[in-house]
Amino acid sequence: AQKVTQAQTEISVVEKEDVTLDCVYETRDTTYYLFWYKQPPSGELVFLIRRNSFDEQNEISGRYSWNFQKSTSSFNFTITASQVVDSAVYFCALSEARDTGRRALTFGSGTRLQVQP
Amino acid sequence: DTGVSQDPRHKITKRGQNVTFRCDPISEHNRLYWYRQTLGQGPEFLTYFQNEAQLEKSRLLSDRFSAERPKGSFSTLEIQRTEQGDSAMYLCASSLGTTLSPLHFGNGTRLTVT
Repeated sequence: AQKVTQAQTEISVVEKEDVTLDCVYETRDTTYYLFWYKQPPSGELVFLIRRNSFDEQNEISGRYSWNFQKSTSSFNFTITASQVVDSAVYFCALSEARDTGRRALTFGSGTRLQVQP
Repeated sequence: DTGVSQDPRHKITKRGQNVTFRCDPISEHNRLYWYRQTLGQGPEFLTYFQNEAQLEKSRLLSDRFSAERPKGSFSTLEIQRTEQGDSAMYLCASSLGTTLSPLHFGNGTRLTVT
């Protein structure tokens, strides 16, 4: 069965610090998708990124970057020069290939990030 | 694009009562999903529709829960004989019918069963 573990329950940083959110996943499939979502206090889950299991190239989008390592089954998320607006709960999620047609995401328990001014 | 809309935002009900939630997906999206999120946890998959067909139901969806999507547009999720354990945030999401399209979530309906 698939499983996503976000061991960091809560992280607090001061504005402009860099912060890395960890995500470790388990799956028996060789083809799968990994996701990160942001959930601000308003409650709406906002899609950030999707990676497929065949593409281990790291990705950077502005202050956000993602490090995908199949060898350690990790898909970590780094925010550079954090800002107060980054305060939210961040979820890592996994979708196995056989589930891709229905996209039933398995979510981790989330990491609450608090950025202090 | 007005996003995924859910109604109501909050619902307080007494144990044993029936409740119904509504979700209006993004208009061109043919897939619609229901998830449940309890405090401090990530969302858990409940069920999903492709157009009007309900294609998958999680074991979390007991026989007290029923979801419909008539005409493949909006969807309703009904909980009969509510229990305190049903208290949670119920999230709706929609997506295009392609593998690479991400899920777009609504703001959710927070249910409190007293």
